[in-house]
Amino acid sequence: QVQMQESGPGLVKPSQTLSLTCSVSGESISSAGRYWNWIRQPAGKGLEWIGRVYTNGATNYNPSLESRVTISIDTSKNQFSLKLSSVTAADTAVYYCAKDQWLVLWGQGTLVTVSS
Amino acid sequence: QTVVTQEPSVTVSPGGTVTLTCGYSTRAVTSGSWPTWVQQKPGQAPRTLIYSTSKKHSWTPARFSGSLLGGKAALTLSGVQPEDEAEYYCLLYSGGAGVFGGGTSLTVL
Repeated sequence: QVQMQESGPGLVKPSQTLSLTCSVSGESISSAGRYWNWIRQPAGKGLEWIGRVYTNGATNYNPSLESRVTISIDTSKNQFSLKLSSVTAADTAVYYCAKDQWLVLWGQGTLVTVSS
Repeated sequence: QTVVTQEPSVTVSPGGTVTLTCGYSTRAVTSGSWPTWVQQKPGQAPRTLIYSTSKKHSWTPARFSGSLLGGKAALTLSGVQPEDEAEYYCLLYSGGAGVFGGGTSLTVL
């Protein structure tokens, strides 16, 4: 059974870089051409698509975040990562990772708070 | 910046039928937007019900169906159950980037 789990610091200071990892178990992240996504949701608000990385490392990003976002894949660790630089309070949200273009599987999400 | 619009809230009676829509502000939705519908209940992670306009996952109840309707993506629930009360988000792809709609809060009353 495939599972996805987000991990990373729950508290990040303003202007610093938010770094999260999504660990995938039950399936090789490089076994077939797939997209691996990051999505976030501020408290009480809707979902926001952040971006995705393909099995070969190619990426697509939300244009509104593109200047601050880097998504990468580490096939040796079977995980993919999100880095969001120059964070502000507006980046406080639950961050989800999700599998495939069709978001066929979601992680449980991890809350990241941006505060000094 | 691409904007995707959804009805903010919809109310339906148990056993009834309801259609939620998802569209662009400036152009029609096509199958090439790969419409995806996501359900989220309070306190839970989202789960995807419909992808590629009308395809269902193994866990998608038969009463949910997806289509294109009048230039928009549509999610139809036939024979609504109380447990269908949730927030529904659509996701459209444009130029390789995904864009979520603002979500529709479905109330079963």
